Amino acid sequence: KNQVEQSPQSLIILEGKNCTLQCNYTVSPFSNLRWYKQDTGRGPVSLTIMTFSENTKSNGRYTATLDADTKQSSLHITASQLSDSASYICVVSGLGSQGNLIFGKGTKLSVKP
Amino acid sequence: EAGVTQFPSHSVIEKGQTVTLRCDPISGHDNLYWYRRVMGKEIKFLLHFVKESKQDESGMPNNRFLAERTGGTYSTLKVQPAELEDSGVYFCASSRYHRQGGVSGANVLTFGAGSRLTVL
Repeated sequence: KNQVEQSPQSLIILEGKNCTLQCNYTVSPFSNLRWYKQDTGRGPVSLTIMTFSENTKSNGRYTATLDADTKQSSLHITASQLSDSASYICVVSGLGSQGNLIFGKGTKLSVKP
Repeated sequence: EAGVTQFPSHSVIEKGQTVTLRCDPISGHDNLYWYRRVMGKEIKFLLHFVKESKQDESGMPNNRFLAERTGGTYSTLKVQPAELEDSGVYFCASSRYHRQGGVSGANVLTFGAGSRLTVL
């Protein structure tokens, strides 16, 4: 069964600190992996997209890694800001399934002053 | 460019009633997708339009759900009759090009803010 598991479920950190969110998936055959940020009451916003040939991609203070062999990904947030408080969702696309994305439940990040 | 717009933002109806959700994609985006998140669960795919055609409707839960995209512009998702388990947030997303899969194809989806449906 195609699944995406994320950890931790929730995380509280102090402003300025770094953190790393984890994502494991069982989707096969694999096409690409995406990280989205979802603010409360808003739709998900794309942070990074990686195909199997990419093992790292950055977007400002966000850096995603991908190990297609172990089917693991991480999202590292550097020098966190209060505005980083949101849910971060790992999403995997199977080969040939353009819109039929498999979503994780997300990690809820709270950044405190 | 304007984003993906969804209406209504929140709808409260009674079991057995009908609700129609609307999505206006980004202008020029051929692809339109519907997703749903029920409480405590992950977001799940419902269906995918390419222009006015249904490309993939494998995620539609049952025949109480009807999606249309007449003219290839906006889309509607009708739930009739609504049941308690239909409560959740319905997201619409759009993307520009239609690709025939491919090893490295990855289209960027822009999501709307969602329509929250509460069935009492």
